[in-house]
Amino acid sequence: AQSVSQHNHHVILSEAASLELGCNYSYGGTVNLFWYVQYPGQHLQLLLKYFSGDPLVKGIKGFEAEFIKSKFSFNLRKPSVQWSDTAEYFCAVKPDSGGYQKVTFGTGTKLQVIP
Amino acid sequence: NAGVTQTPKFQVLKTGQSMTLQCAQDMNHEYMSWYRQDPGMGLRLIHYSVGAGITDQGEVPNGYNVSRSTTEDFPLRLLSAAPSQTSVYFCASSTGDRGTFYGYTFGSGTRLTVV
Repeated sequence: AQSVSQHNHHVILSEAASLELGCNYSYGGTVNLFWYVQYPGQHLQLLLKYFSGDPLVKGIKGFEAEFIKSKFSFNLRKPSVQWSDTAEYFCAVKPDSGGYQKVTFGTGTKLQVIP
Repeated sequence: NAGVTQTPKFQVLKTGQSMTLQCAQDMNHEYMSWYRQDPGMGLRLIHYSVGAGITDQGEVPNGYNVSRSTTEDFPLRLLSAAPSQTSVYFCASSTGDRGTFYGYTFGSGTRLTVV
């Protein structure tokens, strides 16, 4: 079974700082990769996803993620964060050949942006 | 608005009580699932369904039942509530094309407290 690691549990940044959240997975085959965001008191929303092709994926709200296959990583980045980016971010992985129930979520990273 | 609708948003139960969390989606998604979210543990799959009449267990199914009589509805039943079931519950749905998983649409969640 695959697993997903998000090593940063809590990140605090000042507005305009750059953001990089780590996501590593363990699975030897082809994967689909996702980043979700959960604003305080709200449900998870899809930020971006990667299936194949260009390993640099652009999502909503200025976020992007880079898939590095050799490192089994899918890190989330944003050049300049805003206070409104305060939220919890979840990485998710699904083996390309597995059923929908094979989606595995990381434990999440809480981002706090200080004005 | 189209999406996944969960009710209730909040619920307090006494130990031993039963209840049903409702979930409905109007996107004609074939795949629906229930997750629970606990601090530091990310999202864990309780039960899932790949279509009307078909359900299966996820990672943490004990104490929960589901049924899927229609494409739209996927209720989650707590048979005899226990304090360990205090959590936030999310219903999610998805569709895909020839097995490609497009990512989940989540409901707004149910915050359940068992006392």
